[in-house]
Amino acid sequence: DVKVTQSSRYLVKRTGEKVFLECVQDMDHENMFWYRQDPGLGLRLIYFSYDVKMKEKGDIPEGYSVSREKKERFSLILESASTNQTSMYLCASSLRGRGNEQFFGPGTRLTVL
Amino acid sequence: LAKTTQPISMDSYEGQEVNITCSHNNIATNDYITWYQQFPSQGPRFIIQGYKTKVTNEVASLFIPADRKSSTLSLPRVSLSDTAVYYCLVGLKMDTGRRALTFGSGTRLQVQP
Repeated sequence: DVKVTQSSRYLVKRTGEKVFLECVQDMDHENMFWYRQDPGLGLRLIYFSYDVKMKEKGDIPEGYSVSREKKERFSLILESASTNQTSMYLCASSLRGRGNEQFFGPGTRLTVL
Repeated sequence: LAKTTQPISMDSYEGQEVNITCSHNNIATNDYITWYQQFPSQGPRFIIQGYKTKVTNEVASLFIPADRKSSTLSLPRVSLSDTAVYYCLVGLKMDTGRRALTFGSGTRLQVQP
């Protein structure tokens, strides 16, 4: 069974703080994704990575950056958190060439005060 | 504007068949159509995937017409445990020429006893 874990289930931060969200997968998947999920908007892609040190912007990359130094780990960074980044953040992974078949982590609910 | 469209919500009773449709008029030529199920406080979970006509597995069927501009997820004889949000995921041809994997906004299915 593929397992995707995220570092925190719940996180509360203050405006202006630098925030790190970590994601680890154990199935040697090449692709990794970061989404945010908001009511009525579904899942929106922030960034994805198709290999170590490779990344591509998704639909809403503004205010975020990512890091992929190891194949199993994909980090999402909020350089200076703002209240409009309060959301559920979901990480996913998939095999190369099978981007539609993604395995998701449980999500991190981030609140920025 | 390339996007996917789903009904916001649906209600059903135990034992009925439920059909959820996703419209995706700008689907990329070689892309699969994938459906996910999400329970509260969990990440989405892959249900079924198809390219054309009909696909069936142990939990659902997926119907795709010849023009592939829509797809219908069919859940036979739903039970209370099928209460969840269902998302379609499709690769869309964007105005920029880029292909983008795009989730629908989700359909909340409520199954009543």
